[in-house]
Amino acid sequence: DQQVKQNSPSLSVQEGRISILNCDYTNSMFDYFLWYKKYPAEGPTFLISISSIKDKNEDGRFTVFLNKSAKHLSLHIVPSQPGDSAVYFCAASAWEAGKSTFGDGTTLTVKP
Amino acid sequence: DAGVIQSPRHEVTEMGQEVTLRCKPISGHNSLFWYRQTMMRGLELLIYFNNNVPIDDSGMPEDRFSAKMPNASFSTLKIQPSEPRDSAVYFCASTSGGGFRNQPQHFGDGTRLSIL
Repeated sequence: DQQVKQNSPSLSVQEGRISILNCDYTNSMFDYFLWYKKYPAEGPTFLISISSIKDKNEDGRFTVFLNKSAKHLSLHIVPSQPGDSAVYFCAASAWEAGKSTFGDGTTLTVKP
Repeated sequence: DAGVIQSPRHEVTEMGQEVTLRCKPISGHNSLFWYRQTMMRGLELLIYFNNNVPIDDSGMPEDRFSAKMPNASFSTLKIQPSEPRDSAVYFCASTSGGGFRNQPQHFGDGTRLSIL
């Protein structure tokens, strides 16, 4: 039972356009969500997070939206840059768990 | 500041051999996580420690896998005996805050393990 799903294994966008990465979850106990970015031969690095008490969090070019009723979140990157090309992992956690559950990742390619 | 340090970066060994992966968390972090990444199963949590105590090892695949954290600055993940299906990238991550979900995890660069 995969509790965090990223249904798009890959996404390709043109430089300067918007990238939208999606994530769905099934566990209603999840109340905190994170996005990590991973380059080849490196570990994932934290990008942005959102608490379930919010529906939007913005940090520069990165914005995460949370739709609790749909159990869906998305990461928007505007404008996309070639350096954004990486694997993006969605992660979710519940207060009492002390751990995060990760999706399988989406490989983003930004073409110059 | 030094990040999470994992060693070795690459390990190639023959089936049946013992494999030991090492991790040094960020100083001051009190939670440590071991993950395995494969094409088939994605990034899966194997075990995590809080204040050097194993809290959840439900992700450890079988008895061939064991993990220890003898002190706050060192952890090992051991596979004995190793099998070809153990080939994967193993990540260690640490965080502060007693493992509360508010704190993002800091990952090492991983150990790429190949079992022949």
